[in-house]
Amino acid sequence: DGGITQSPKYLFRKEGQNVTLSCEQNLNHDAMYWYRQDPGQGLRLIYYSQIVNDFQKGDIAEGYSVSREKKESFPLTVTSAQKNPTAFYLCASTLKQGAPYEQYFGPGTRLTVT
Amino acid sequence: AQTVTQSQPEMSVQEAETVTLSCTYDTSESDYYLFWYKQPPSRQMILVIRQEAYKQQNATENRFSVNFQKAAKSFSLKISDSQLGDAAMYFCAYRSALRQGNLIFGKGTKLSVKP
Repeated sequence: DGGITQSPKYLFRKEGQNVTLSCEQNLNHDAMYWYRQDPGQGLRLIYYSQIVNDFQKGDIAEGYSVSREKKESFPLTVTSAQKNPTAFYLCASTLKQGAPYEQYFGPGTRLTVT
Repeated sequence: AQTVTQSQPEMSVQEAETVTLSCTYDTSESDYYLFWYKQPPSRQMILVIRQEAYKQQNATENRFSVNFQKAAKSFSLKISDSQLGDAAMYFCAYRSALRQGNLIFGKGTKLSVKP
């Protein structure tokens, strides 16, 4: 089955700790994305990557970092500099950057920082 | 910058009835794509329907159809014969056909379906 996996589904961390969210896809997609979703908000773009070893900041990149060492993997690190890290995080991928390609989404990770 | 507005935070429909969800967007571009995504309680985002701005014909997918008014920058979603499984958050999204092509989302409409 082709798709996007995110692990874990729920993640709990203490304030001041960095935490890495996993995103893996076996769709052979070039482009990958990280979104953040808060209650009453739409999805907001954190980072995206069009090809391996290249990525760009989205609208809310502060306090986050990413890497793209392999085509199928795009992990997101939530650093201690992120002021409000508790949120639902969605990873997505698309065949190639740009329309009309559909973005496929993973099941998401709920991060709670206390 | 492009923006997407969904003015209805919540909507309700009776099972088997029809409901329309509203979406407006702001852009100075002429070439773009519009999408409706569904997010059920599982929180998995699912593409419902897509519309290319250069096409005059409104997109349809089974019970789902859109009313695309390019001049008015309006993109509403009509759900016919509503089913209990249609209950979800619905997000309208915009993507430029010219630039990087990242999706810009509205804040969503929560749809409830009454049996």
